[in-house]
Amino acid sequence: SQQGEEDPQALSIQEGENATMNCSYKTSINNLQWYRQNSGRGLVHLILIRSNEREKHSGRLRVTLDTSKKSSSLLITASRAADTASYFCATDAANDYKLSFGAGTTVTVRA
Amino acid sequence: SAVISQKPSRDICQRGTSLTIQCQVDSQVTMMFWYRQQPGQSLTLIATANQGSEATYESGFVIDKFPISRPNLTFSTLTVSNMSPEDSSIYLCSVGTGDQPQHFGDGTRLSIL
Repeated sequence: SQQGEEDPQALSIQEGENATMNCSYKTSINNLQWYRQNSGRGLVHLILIRSNEREKHSGRLRVTLDTSKKSSSLLITASRAADTASYFCATDAANDYKLSFGAGTTVTVRA
Repeated sequence: SAVISQKPSRDICQRGTSLTIQCQVDSQVTMMFWYRQQPGQSLTLIATANQGSEATYESGFVIDKFPISRPNLTFSTLTVSNMSPEDSSIYLCSVGTGDQPQHFGDGTRLSIL
């Protein structure tokens, strides 16, 4: 079942702008992962953040996690046309490793 | 990270037929999973492929419809049986080891006529 909700469902920005998307979940988690999917292809892993971490960075990506609010955010800075894709958050419960996915955010970066 | 090869990448099938999808990993992994992504939707877990034993299915998915094999730690197959147009989806395998990121294959895009 889908545990996560993502907000917004769709986002359109100009190249060079920042894009922020949010993910909320319902039950306690072990890890939260963010993925990118281009045009219905396979998923590319972006960042994994553990339940005892609050923030992680990878290049132009910044992920935060607030376990008290059961929410996470993904920030893409200085967006490029190549960032146009769908972004999904996925959570797994302790000792389970089965992923529950959010509905996804579709990001369009305009040149 | 592991290199995952999924075959076929896409197929168009007639209703009532079956298709077997293969997932090959270039290193031994503890966990292999199969997911379905219906058109315009997110991913839903079908089952956990267990090495040397029967797969563990999620609610709403049954072995007769989606038989899964996992003969070793690097290979698994998912069969979509007696297909109908409602089975048109992208099917993806993922692999993981312990508390590490899960990685996905490129998926199999399946269309049923």
